[in-house]
Order: sequence, then structure tokens, then C-alpha cells
Amino acid sequence: DTAVSQTPKYLVTQMGNDKSIKCEQNLGHDTMYWYKQDSKKFLKIMFSYNNKELIINETVPNRFSPKSPDKAHLNLHINSLELGDSAVYFCASSPRDRRANEQFFGPGTRLTVL
Amino acid sequence: GEDVEQSLFLSVREGDSSVINCTYTDSSSTYLYWYKQEPGAGLQLLTYIFSNMDMKQDQRLTVLLNKKDKHLSLRIADTQTGDSAIYFCAESIPGGYSTLTFGKGTMLLVSP
Repeated sequence: DTAVSQTPKYLVTQMGNDKSIKCEQNLGHDTMYWYKQDSKKFLKIMFSYNNKELIINETVPNRFSPKSPDKAHLNLHINSLELGDSAVYFCASSPRDRRANEQFFGPGTRLTVL
Repeated sequence: GEDVEQSLFLSVREGDSSVINCTYTDSSSTYLYWYKQEPGAGLQLLTYIFSNMDMKQDQRLTVLLNKKDKHLSLRIADTQTGDSAIYFCAESIPGGYSTLTFGKGTMLLVSP
């Protein structure tokens, strides 16, 4: 009965590789997000999708490409991984019809680029 | 611009009250939130307050909002060791698709 799930939980890879992180929510929410949390715990929005449509795209290198096959899934593909991409990536979702924009977070994917 | 500031660290003894403070700069914030992150876990929404309120209480948690000073605080009564975590303050700016801007988090350490 997990609400927001992400796979994998840990990802260790070499520089230059391409990798994907998957996110699924079973809450029936319309909006999904990707956040990056750096080593100092600073959390920053990367992307937001509403009903499979990209609505927010912060200043993120174009090596990062989100894909939303349906409104319950938002995957993150990263090309040509760099050392600075090492971080914890969180997926979140929120219902569109609530004024309060309560966001529900997944457990995170710790990406380590060697 | 959007900026949310928090002190980085707070240490208290079990049974004491903890007060975590946050300041924000955008006066158009509609909602302000407190999230908790335990080690190795995602963020968990603890509580939120609408900007036209000045206080909200939920069991051991009390949120105080001073909109004039753009200051938000979270008070945890009878702090337990299980409350040890990082606490993030966040604000939501109104818009068609509003996002959250997070502070850098306050690490709360509760000692027995």
C-alpha cells in the first residue's frame, strides 16, 4: 500500500553512463515532481508534471529528461552522468484540487556517480 | 525572490520543548509547511498553516506564524528521541501550478 514509490533506492554508476529512476504513485494525484537533495540536504525542485504535461522545468541541464507515460508515473532519465549529479533524488505527488498543495514524497533514490 | 532560511541545528533533552524557527521573504506566500525527514527516508508532511492564520495546533505540534515579520515557528512539546530528524520549512507561492520552496532544514537532536 505504498503511496509514492521509487526504484531503485540506491544507484551507483560510472561517469558518462546513462541511467533512469522510476517513480509511481497510487494516490490518484494529478501532479508529480522531481526534487534533488544535495549533500548539504538542500532540496530543490527540478521538474513538475500535471496530467502527463510538463509544467515546471527549473534550470536543470538538458541531460536530465523526465518522462510521464501516464499520470501515475514520472520517470527521470539522466544522460552522460557527471560527478556533480551525485545526490538523493525525490519524487513527490500532490492532488491538483487542493488549495494547500500538500506534497507526498517517495523514499528517495541515492545516486552515486564514481 | 524566494528565500527560506532556517537555523541548521538544535539540540534538546527528552521531555523538553523544541522550537524550530524559519524566516521567508515572499509576502505572497499562501501556505507554509513543516516537513520532517528521518535518516535515509523521504520527507513527511507534518503540518501546514494558511497565511491568514497566526496559530495552528495539532497534538504536540504548535505552528506560529508572524506574517508581518515573515517568521514561522514549529514548537514540539514533550520532545521524544523519535523526534530526532531534519525539519524543513517550506512556502508555497500562489500561481497556476504553485511549487514549494524549501529551507535548508534544521537538524533536531534529542538526547535522553
